[in-house]
Amino acid sequence: EPEVTQTPSHQVTQMGQEVILRCVPISNHLYFYWYRQILGQKVEFLVSFYNNEISEKSEIFDDQFSVERPDGSNFTLKIRSTKLEDSAMYFCASRGTGVGTQYFGPGTRLLVL
Amino acid sequence: KQEVTQIPAALSVPEGENLVLNCSFTDSAIYNLQWFRQDPGKGLTSLLLIQSSQREQTSGRLNASLDKSSGRSTLYIAASQPGDSATYLCAVRPDNDMRFGAGTRLTVKP
Repeated sequence: EPEVTQTPSHQVTQMGQEVILRCVPISNHLYFYWYRQILGQKVEFLVSFYNNEISEKSEIFDDQFSVERPDGSNFTLKIRSTKLEDSAMYFCASRGTGVGTQYFGPGTRLLVL
Repeated sequence: KQEVTQIPAALSVPEGENLVLNCSFTDSAIYNLQWFRQDPGKGLTSLLLIQSSQREQTSGRLNASLDKSSGRSTLYIAASQPGDSATYLCAVRPDNDMRFGAGTRLTVKP
């Protein structure tokens, strides 16, 4: 069964450093998402991406964040200058059609020191 | 703003018991509602998706219902097993995002 993959599974970085989290969505999907889950808290929506542009973003997704689909398979989330509070599990998801299920990747656990 | 609440926050039951997890949401204008399972430190596994026009969905020992007008959904687990121990998340799709509840942490004791 097709699945969403994410790399790396874990990343440790110093505050102020840039990080890029990578995702490979399911190949025929058209809608892509990033979510985050701070330890012990709810899963929170960050951004959705369709047709090579951001379709919706939350108030969390400020100028420090950006997303890109650099080629036909990868979908990336960049955090330009990480803060301690960016430490969280980041999930990528993809969806095929308008009413379909969102399929989630296994997540990248980011720790900012 | 759509808010999703799950009750109870934690539940512990003996193996074999049938149980119900509850989810409520504040705005009935949703495309669908989805139940997920999350094991500690792991990703999200989709269990059931209910479209806004549907009333329920079933998969094996799981049955999820949706009452959109009252803003409620339930996840029924029959004959619970220790392997069902996990956190169960409810999420609604109001637009192009998903809003999650905080989850119910289920422990099934052998």
